[in-house]
Amino acid sequence: GESVGLHLPTLSVQEGDNSIINCAYSNSASDYFIWYKQESGKGPQFIIDIRSNMDKRQGQRVTVLLNKTVKHLSLQIAATQPGDSAVYFCAGANAGNNRKLIWGLGTSLAVNP
Amino acid sequence: KAGVTQTPRYLIKTRGQQVTLSCSPISGHRSVSWYQQTPGQGLQFLFEYFSETQRNKGNFPGRFSGRQFSNSRSEMNVSTLELGDSALYLCASTLRTSAQETQYFGPGTRLLVL
Repeated sequence: GESVGLHLPTLSVQEGDNSIINCAYSNSASDYFIWYKQESGKGPQFIIDIRSNMDKRQGQRVTVLLNKTVKHLSLQIAATQPGDSAVYFCAGANAGNNRKLIWGLGTSLAVNP
Repeated sequence: KAGVTQTPRYLIKTRGQQVTLSCSPISGHRSVSWYQQTPGQGLQFLFEYFSETQRNKGNFPGRFSGRQFSNSRSEMNVSTLELGDSALYLCASTLRTSAQETQYFGPGTRLLVL
């Protein structure tokens, strides 16, 4: 079946370094992707999204890159801060599944001071 | 605008009981989605309601049901609770236009079934 998955369940980085969280998807018809951040005890919080007609989109300290050829997307966090410690989820949707978001399992990012 | 609100925040039930969870979406949002989140399974999609109609449904048994009211508020019900239903239940609201489909999540209801 259709899937969205993260490459690593955990990632540890030093404060100030850049973080890269990767995600792969199986359905080439997926045309919308979104990244969420979930801190302990809270619901997922929207970070950034990207449509398939784009390769790159930048936000504040975050960049999402989409490679449709290999069905891969990544979230880059610049100058990672302790407050970035959380679980990060990617999700994708397409018109074929009535735009239902298919979620990955999440990557837990730990920022070491 | 106020965010998505969910009530109650915490709930303890015993096996066999039923439970109703409530979600109030962001004002103006007509789509409400429900998810079950457990440590090993991530976010599992339950269902989505749009304008009082179920638009999408996940792969959960019939014990899980939902509805949406004319003011877009939504409820989900779980009957005959099982231990495995212990989870964080998340509600998300979406504006749902051709250009907008970002889901905004509430804090969740943490359900513990004993």
